[in-house]
Amino acid sequence: DIQMTQSPSSLSASVGDRVTITCRASQSISTYLNWYQLKPGKAPKLLIYTASSLQRGVPSRFSGSGSGTDFTLTISSLQPEDFATYFCQQSYSTLFTFGPGTKVDIK
Amino acid sequence: EVQLVESGGGLVQPGGSLRLSCAASGFTFSSNWMHWVRQTPGKGLVWVSGINSDGSTTTYADSVKGRFTISRDNAKNTLYLQMNSLRAEDTSVYYCARLTSLYYFDYWGQGTLVTVSS
Repeated sequence: DIQMTQSPSSLSASVGDRVTITCRASQSISTYLNWYQLKPGKAPKLLIYTASSLQRGVPSRFSGSGSGTDFTLTISSLQPEDFATYFCQQSYSTLFTFGPGTKVDIK
Repeated sequence: EVQLVESGGGLVQPGGSLRLSCAASGFTFSSNWMHWVRQTPGKGLVWVSGINSDGSTTTYADSVKGRFTISRDNAKNTLYLQMNSLRAEDTSVYYCARLTSLYYFDYWGQGTLVTVSS
């Protein structure tokens, strides 16, 4: 199975901050990397697909980059509604695997 | 509007069984692969199982193979997960999710909690 890691596991930030989350795959996955936002009691929300494509309806402050094994999710200016946990997911293999998550909370 | 609504979760004893359902609406259900993904506190999201559009092909994570069975009823727009021989480590929130042709999950339900405990 392809193993996914994320860093940091958690971070504290303020509204307006630029936030960067990193995801690494155990082997090259081209750009088959997706990002999701999870809030307690809510359905997970797709943010970015194929590494850098913004899902319809997702604010443009979210962006993704990377290819191969190293990927980044950036929130350019953190908003109150962005405090959540973020997961990456590889879709290179259909034994889909997720990163362990990065929790973003209020400083 | 695409909607996925899970049901069937609850408290069950180790070794017991439970069947989860996911009612779909707002899209042509019979056109998509559908999947189950679970979230265990402290362990993040874990893919569980998937089924193709007509139900002829299924896939499972090794951790549930032989115990869980995924199925679907396209006439009822409903996805199922039959869970047998449940273990404490199966305790999770279970989500159903729609898979796109580019292999990302574009819509998810809100989840149903399964607790396996005596």
